[in-house]
Amino acid sequence: GAGVSQTPSNKVTEKGKYVELRCDPISGHTALYWYRQSLGQGPEFLIYFQGTGAADDSGLPNDRFFAVRPEGSVSTLKIQRTERGDSAVYLCASSPTTGNEQFFGPGTRLTVL
Amino acid sequence: AQKITQTQPGMFVQEKEAVTLDCTYDTSDQSYGLFWYKQPSSGEMIFLIYQGSYDEQNATEGRYSLNFQKARKSANLVISASQLGDSAMYFCAMREGPSSGAGSYQLTFGKGTKLSVIP
Repeated sequence: GAGVSQTPSNKVTEKGKYVELRCDPISGHTALYWYRQSLGQGPEFLIYFQGTGAADDSGLPNDRFFAVRPEGSVSTLKIQRTERGDSAVYLCASSPTTGNEQFFGPGTRLTVL
Repeated sequence: AQKITQTQPGMFVQEKEAVTLDCTYDTSDQSYGLFWYKQPSSGEMIFLIYQGSYDEQNATEGRYSLNFQKARKSANLVISASQLGDSAMYFCAMREGPSSGAGSYQLTFGKGTKLSVIP
């Protein structure tokens, strides 16, 4: 079956612009996670959805970051007024239930000029 | 304090030899899980192996085994019979137990170890 997919694979934007990053989890997975991986670092947690609701958004760095999962499947990470420090690879992962192995997508590489 | 510490930024191993990648963790939870992921240059995180805090036996998956020493809070990854395709970044990660409240199911990652397999 299909794994986690993320689009776009690469996004280049200018400082101050708005971007949306999409994640399509494995079908039937109720838990969905967003992580951010800066160069030379391990992924860092941003937000976790159980179904449609954000069960934990404690990792979002500030209010420019927002994520939704309106139908409990596809999720969109939204970043307003992008800054150069937002440049990173944004990874999405899903799992059938919480606490299980998380399956990662290929990531979206965001570059803010 | 770092929750996951990987002290080896880079490691080299001869093809067909075994290699151990170190990982120590810090948690006050009784229930937690430890994971190892491989990240090749393509960027995708590939799950390798999982160890639950209550598992009495060390986890094994093919050529991968996890040397779990609970009292020392270490969860080292052992790769046997290294192959050229094992060259990648390796990340140790921890999921803390549901009793820890908000953020219970996120993974906390270490900074990774870059493994290079020499022919």
